[in-house]
Amino acid sequence: NLILTQPHSVSGSPGKTVTISCTRSGDNIASKYVQWYQQRPGSAPTTVIYEHDGRPSGVPDRFSGSIDSSSNSAFLTISGLKTEDEADYYCQSYDGNNHGIFGGGTKLTVL
Amino acid sequence: QVQLVESGGGLVKPGGSLRLSCAASGFTFSDYYMTWIRQPPGKGLEWVSYISDGSDYTNYRDSVRGRFSISRDNAKNSLYLQMNSLRDEDTAVYFCARAGRFPASPLAYWGQGTLVTVSS
Repeated sequence: NLILTQPHSVSGSPGKTVTISCTRSGDNIASKYVQWYQQRPGSAPTTVIYEHDGRPSGVPDRFSGSIDSSSNSAFLTISGLKTEDEADYYCQSYDGNNHGIFGGGTKLTVL
Repeated sequence: QVQLVESGGGLVKPGGSLRLSCAASGFTFSDYYMTWIRQPPGKGLEWVSYISDGSDYTNYRDSVRGRFSISRDNAKNSLYLQMNSLRDEDTAVYFCARAGRFPASPLAYWGQGTLVTVSS
């Protein structure tokens, strides 16, 4: 069974850079695209990264995505942290049968 | 702009049924796969089901297969989720989302969600 594992929480100071990992177990990280969604409290999720490293229009270039085959992981990096970035972040992908799966979510605190 | 508005949530007893709807606007609905995702209170996101643009293909998470049925009416720009034999663990906010034009595509736009509570 495919599992996406994220850290429960990360934190950073305004202006700094944080990276959230999403480790894929069950198959190769490159086998299916990874997306990242931001969810602020009480709101619906929005897409910040699609297809590993694509950035939707309107998402600041402070947000970037990448994958690393050696660790079988995807990464969301947020640079120049702002208080408005404080939210839950979820990675998402699909298994070989095209069933969607989400990571458990990471709470980002901007100190 | 793309809008997705869910409706139909509410309180239902275990074993009961509920039908969720999602009204879409701002894009050519019949061109895209559509997906349902849920979020139990205080917990993370769970993918539930998707349906292809022409309703040819559907897919479900294991825990709802045989109990839930996804459908769409492209003439009405609407997506549905028929939920039968509901269980306590189905309690969640249910979101509809627009995917891409192929399976396993990103969930580009999300609705605001509708709350389903299964309780006696």
